[in-house]
Amino acid sequence: DIQMTQSPSTLSASVGDRVTITCRASQSISTWLAWYQQKTGEAPKLLIYDASNLERGVPPRFSGTGSGTEFTLTISSLQPDDFVTYYCQQYKSFSGTFGQGTKVEIK
Amino acid sequence: EVQLVQSGPEVRKPGESLKISCKGSGYFFSNHWIAWVRQMPGKGLEWMAIIYPSDSDTRYRPSFQGQVTISADKSTSSTYLQWSSLRASDTAIYYCARLLYFDSSDSKFGAFDVWGQGTLVTVSS
Repeated sequence: DIQMTQSPSTLSASVGDRVTITCRASQSISTWLAWYQQKTGEAPKLLIYDASNLERGVPPRFSGTGSGTEFTLTISSLQPDDFVTYYCQQYKSFSGTFGQGTKVEIK
Repeated sequence: EVQLVQSGPEVRKPGESLKISCKGSGYFFSNHWIAWVRQMPGKGLEWMAIIYPSDSDTRYRPSFQGQVTISADKSTSSTYLQWSSLRASDTAIYYCARLLYFDSSDSKFGAFDVWGQGTLVTVSS
C-alpha cells in the first residue's frame, strides 16, 4: 500500500495567518491526491482534487500544489471556521489511503 | 441539492447482525459509484467497499473482504452496508460517499465529492 504522511500532526495558528500542511506519499502518485476538511462531529468535505483543483463552492483561500510524492495545502488567511482537521488522500492506487490528519488549532 | 442521507445510530451486541443505509438524491444515483468509509473513534479514514448502483458491480478493500457486504437498490436510490456478526472492533462512524469517478478497467478511482452525515455504530456487550 502507498503510505501517506501528513505534517505537522497539529498546527497552532491565529486568525489571519497563512498556513501550509504537507502530505508526503511513499511513492509517486502523480497528481492523484485530494484534500478534505473535517469539522468535529461532521463528515469530511472535499476541498481540493487532483492535487490543485478547487472543488466548487470552496473558498479561494484554500489552494493545493504538488506532484509526485510531495503535496501542500495552503490556507492563505485562516478564518475562525478553519480551525478543524484536514486529511489528504491518494487515489493513484486501489488502496486509496488517507493521511493521518492535521489538526489546526487556535494559538 | 445533491445529498446522501444515512440511517440513524445503532447499538448492537457482539455477534449480532446489522444493515445500515444511505439514500441519494439530487442526482442520477445509478450512474455514480458509492463508497463506504470507516472512521474508528478518534482515528482517520479508511474506505471499505464501493458499488456501482446501476449493475451492483462491487469492489472491496482487501482487509474488508468477507467482513462486510455492500449492496444497492437503484429503485430506491439506496446503498447498504451489512455485517452478519459484529465485533466490538466494528465500533466506528461509517460514512457513505460518492466517487467522482471509478475506472473499473484498472481499478482507478477519484476523490469522494459528496458525503453522507455518518452513522455511528456501537458494538458492546
